[in-house]
Amino acid sequence: ETGVTQTPRHLVMGMTNKKSLKCEQHLGHNAMYWYKQSAKKPLELMFVYSLEERVENNSVPSRFSPECPNSSHLFLHLHTLQPEDSALYLCASSQDMGGISYNEQFFGPGTRLTVL
Amino acid sequence: AQSVTQLDSHVSVSEGTPVLLRCNYSSSYSPSLFWYVQHPNKGLQLLLKYTSAATLVKGINGFEAEFKKSETSFHLTKPSAHMSDAAEYFCVVTSYSNYQLIWGAGTKLIIKP
Repeated sequence: ETGVTQTPRHLVMGMTNKKSLKCEQHLGHNAMYWYKQSAKKPLELMFVYSLEERVENNSVPSRFSPECPNSSHLFLHLHTLQPEDSALYLCASSQDMGGISYNEQFFGPGTRLTVL
Repeated sequence: AQSVTQLDSHVSVSEGTPVLLRCNYSSSYSPSLFWYVQHPNKGLQLLLKYTSAATLVKGINGFEAEFKKSETSFHLTKPSAHMSDAAEYFCVVTSYSNYQLIWGAGTKLIIKP
């Protein structure tokens, strides 16, 4: 596998379920990101991890819980979601977070989540 | 505060004709600007980027964009559309911290045979 992979590609869950999204990057990067992509809305940054430490949490509801056990893996644990949480969830990675210059972010194909 | 506006939600062109996708930005400092492309069921891919060097930026697949500070624009163009260009295109600007990207709402490019 190369680049950034995400599993599952599609997920349907009820509001009382607990599920997890997985992201793996094979690029040797130090930073990883979770984004939410909803129809007709700009991409929303949810979480940022750098060297396995969370550095950003953009006011995301606690029903979304990220986990970064190492620099190659990122999880998004889901519980008691709402129908409005249905969206495409994208994972990305970059060499570093970037300081004075931008580090290109490489994206996975996403997980299409439907909450019933 | 930084923001980006993509002026068209959909653009439809015939194969072989020019493509123009419009983007205007607002920034309180000199930003970096990007165009990303998203094909159906695929991840976002960086098409090109402007980082305060040459104002005319060339990207992959024959696309290019011109940074015009006076007009606060960063429009994406291609001389001749191909069927494989059908996708959604996103204009993006960096925020004060370079890992925070401000995304436009996207423009869906439709190519007619």
